[in-house]
Amino acid sequence: ELKVEQNPLFLSMQEGKNYTIYCNYSTTSDRLYWYRQDPGKSLESLFVLLSNGAVKQEGRLMASLDTKARLSTLHITAAVHDLSATYFCAVEGWGAQGGSEKLVFGKGTKLTVNP
Amino acid sequence: ETGVTQTPRHLVMGMTNKKSLKCEQHLGHNAMYWYKQSAKKPLELMFVYSLEERVENNSVPSRFSPECPNSSHLFLHLHTLQPEDSALYLCASSQDYGGTGGSYEQYFGPGTRLTVT
Repeated sequence: ELKVEQNPLFLSMQEGKNYTIYCNYSTTSDRLYWYRQDPGKSLESLFVLLSNGAVKQEGRLMASLDTKARLSTLHITAAVHDLSATYFCAVEGWGAQGGSEKLVFGKGTKLTVNP
Repeated sequence: ETGVTQTPRHLVMGMTNKKSLKCEQHLGHNAMYWYKQSAKKPLELMFVYSLEERVENNSVPSRFSPECPNSSHLFLHLHTLQPEDSALYLCASSQDYGGTGGSYEQYFGPGTRLTVT
């Protein structure tokens, strides 16, 4: 059974600072996705990581995947207020009911960037 | 229209009403999902349909009734809801579900904000 854990679940940081959100998962997988959700809005795809060592960058966000450690990181550089949102990671694998491969979501990290 | 669309975007209903949420995907995907998102529980998977067949039903109360008439459309029929059912209901689709080696990235619609009074 694949389990996905994100930490921290809540993150409050000041503008201009750097921080990292972690996504750990419990079974072998080499495909991981990061989504962003603004308050009251839907989930928007940010990054798709499809192999060990994959690194993707978009603006102040950089995501990486280490399949051996079963870990993905979402690094925030010089945060700005516009990055305030909830960030979800999702991992392809075998879910709670087994039987087939699917996407399993973490609980999300709510990021607040303060001026 | 492109991507995944949902209607209505906002819905207010009484506990005795019957209403339906509609989702349509224009991506040629084979799988569709309903999620519930509330303040207390971030993202709850409710139902999954793959090739128009229901493949997951995660202990959802019978007052929620899904329908998938074809691979592009998904409905969620609502009746005799409770105030705690107030939430954002998200629809998503993916190319594949189950098996191995498929594409499981999910694309989300804008959601329906439901308020039960």
